[in-house]
Amino acid sequence: DVKVTQSSRYLVKRTGEKVFLECVQDMDHENMFWYRQDPGLGLRLIYFSYDVKMKEKGDIPEGYSVSREKKERFSLILESASTNQTSMYLCASSPLLEGGNQPQHFGDGTRLSIL
Amino acid sequence: AQSVTQPDIHITVSEGASLELRCNYSYGATPYLFWYVQSPGQGLQLLLKYFSGDTLVQGIKGFEAEFKRSQSSFNLRKPSVHWSDAAEYFCAVGAPGGYQKVTFGIGTKLQVIP
Repeated sequence: DVKVTQSSRYLVKRTGEKVFLECVQDMDHENMFWYRQDPGLGLRLIYFSYDVKMKEKGDIPEGYSVSREKKERFSLILESASTNQTSMYLCASSPLLEGGNQPQHFGDGTRLSIL
Repeated sequence: AQSVTQPDIHITVSEGASLELRCNYSYGATPYLFWYVQSPGQGLQLLLKYFSGDTLVQGIKGFEAEFKRSQSSFNLRKPSVHWSDAAEYFCAVGAPGGYQKVTFGIGTKLQVIP
């Protein structure tokens, strides 16, 4: 079965720390995504990647960076965590097929609290 | 730019009653459309998708959705709701082809009462 695994379900960090959120998929998907989910705002795309070492900014990239050194792994980095980055973070992946925009498969999310 | 509107933030229905969740999209041509469901503490799961062809789409868990181009809508329906359907539902729109960005609505939280 398809599996997207996020390394932590809950994470508590302090303001100013560098934070790493890890995501691994076992489906050999080309595309990977990071979203944050906030009440009343739905899912907002932070970054996505369509190939190893490739990345594209989403709608809210400020304060974040990403790394994709291997096809199956996509990391989200909070360079200097701030309290307004407290949120639920969701990772997703999808295959690159003709016609584009195939359904995304999601991990269970990481609830990050910045104190 | 593409966008999605889910006008109902919360909906409460009785178990066994029918359900319709509304979704309106904005896109210049015929988009790809999706409905996802999120149970508490979990990620999103795909319920169904519309790419082309028959405008009535069947999904998992007894859900269906109808694409209406004239109304720019893609409403989700279920004839008889079960208590286990209580969750948050997200409509999403994406451009056919191109890169893979998909825009999600803000979600509709469904409560099911006995």
